[in-house]
Amino acid sequence: GNSVTQMEGPVTLSEEAFLTINCTYTATGYPSLFWYVQYPGEGLQLLLKATKADDKGSNKGFEATYRKETTSFHLEKGSVQVSDSAVYFCALNEAGNNRKLIWGLGTSLAVNP
Amino acid sequence: DGGITQSPKYLFRKEGQNVTLSCEQNLNHDAMYWYRQDPGQGLRLIYYSQIVNDFQKGDIAEGYSVSREKKESFPLTVTSAQKNPTAFYLCASSIVRTENQPQHFGDGTRLSIL
Repeated sequence: GNSVTQMEGPVTLSEEAFLTINCTYTATGYPSLFWYVQYPGEGLQLLLKATKADDKGSNKGFEATYRKETTSFHLEKGSVQVSDSAVYFCALNEAGNNRKLIWGLGTSLAVNP
Repeated sequence: DGGITQSPKYLFRKEGQNVTLSCEQNLNHDAMYWYRQDPGQGLRLIYYSQIVNDFQKGDIAEGYSVSREKKESFPLTVTSAQKNPTAFYLCASSIVRTENQPQHFGDGTRLSIL
């Protein structure tokens, strides 16, 4: 079945460091891919998405490119801030009428000043 | 502003008691979802509904029940049959008519056992 695998956390970085959080997926067809962010004690917010191969989603300095050849959607940011400390979730939307999302387990990021 | 409102933010359940978590949305979304979040386990789908008066079980529906009498509302009842209800519960909604639409989340309800 379809699945999403994220790198395990926690990830700890210093402010202004480069961030990569790996996400790979298994799916039939052409799913849509999403990154969500969850700040402490809150619900999830959509960070970015990509709907077809080679699409690049971007928002708030974060980027991720839909790589069909490597079935990956890695999240990157060139210079993290303390305010980026949160849990990041990768997810895919199965193609077709099924609107369920398949979720990764989440990666916790802590950015130190 | 449109959004999803979950209430209460914190809820405590006694042994043998049913409790109901509220979820209301004013985004005019057709689909609504309930997730359970436990530390280190990501999000697990409890129930979802794509249209009023219809809903489907997710991956961990046992011990839970839902209703969808109005488009805006999708309450979740945690019954006494759910033996380990302590978790963070998240409600979400999305558009169904077009593909690739993201889900929008409420701020969650944290349920604990007394």
